Amino acid sequence: SQQGEEDPQALSIQEGENATMNCSYKTSINNLQWYRQNSGRGLVHLILIRSNEREKHSGRLRVTLDTSKKSSSLLITASRAADTASYFCAPDLNTDKLIFGTGTRLQVFP
Amino acid sequence: EPEVTQTPSHQVTQMGQEVILRCVPISNHLYFYWYRQILGQKVEFLVSFYNNEISEKSEIFDDQFSVERPDGSNFTLKIRSTKLEDSAMYFCASSLAGTAYEQYFGPGTRLTVT
Repeated sequence: SQQGEEDPQALSIQEGENATMNCSYKTSINNLQWYRQNSGRGLVHLILIRSNEREKHSGRLRVTLDTSKKSSSLLITASRAADTASYFCAPDLNTDKLIFGTGTRLQVFP
Repeated sequence: EPEVTQTPSHQVTQMGQEVILRCVPISNHLYFYWYRQILGQKVEFLVSFYNNEISEKSEIFDDQFSVERPDGSNFTLKIRSTKLEDSAMYFCASSLAGTAYEQYFGPGTRLTVT
């Protein structure tokens, strides 16, 4: 499979808690991207991490990449109700497309 | 901030009819994409377009589908003879330079085939 596999499938937390989502993939990549989708709406790009990077931050987001384990994680710190959405990883396999998995559905309760 | 726009937001059509979904990508982007999402399912890649030609397409993108960049700003997806199973959200996306860069998605067109 060319897609990333997100884990867990669903995650429920309280506002203020941290949320961690994981992504595994099977082949060598150039980069890996994380996207968010609010119910029924378009995907929003969150962060892109290149294969020679190990960690990247953007606001409350922290992404790690371990190419030896073919895995990535997305950490959202101090979560808010507005973070409720589905989160997807998309490994770039040097093809002209992104393949999305089933995602992690994050529910943040006020 | 520049954004990808799509029209219409919702299209209802009868089976067998032709539909054209329209997108205006971000102006300096060079790569354009169509994806679709059937209700409750994954976002699926349909086609990528660069330098006025299709660069990659999925198995879904059969002869009933076509894409066009008729002018310098619009990017269209045509479904020649719609089927019930074409009912889905269709998302357009654009990128500065392929999958080495982030893709910016439009809000989608909900296509309902009756």
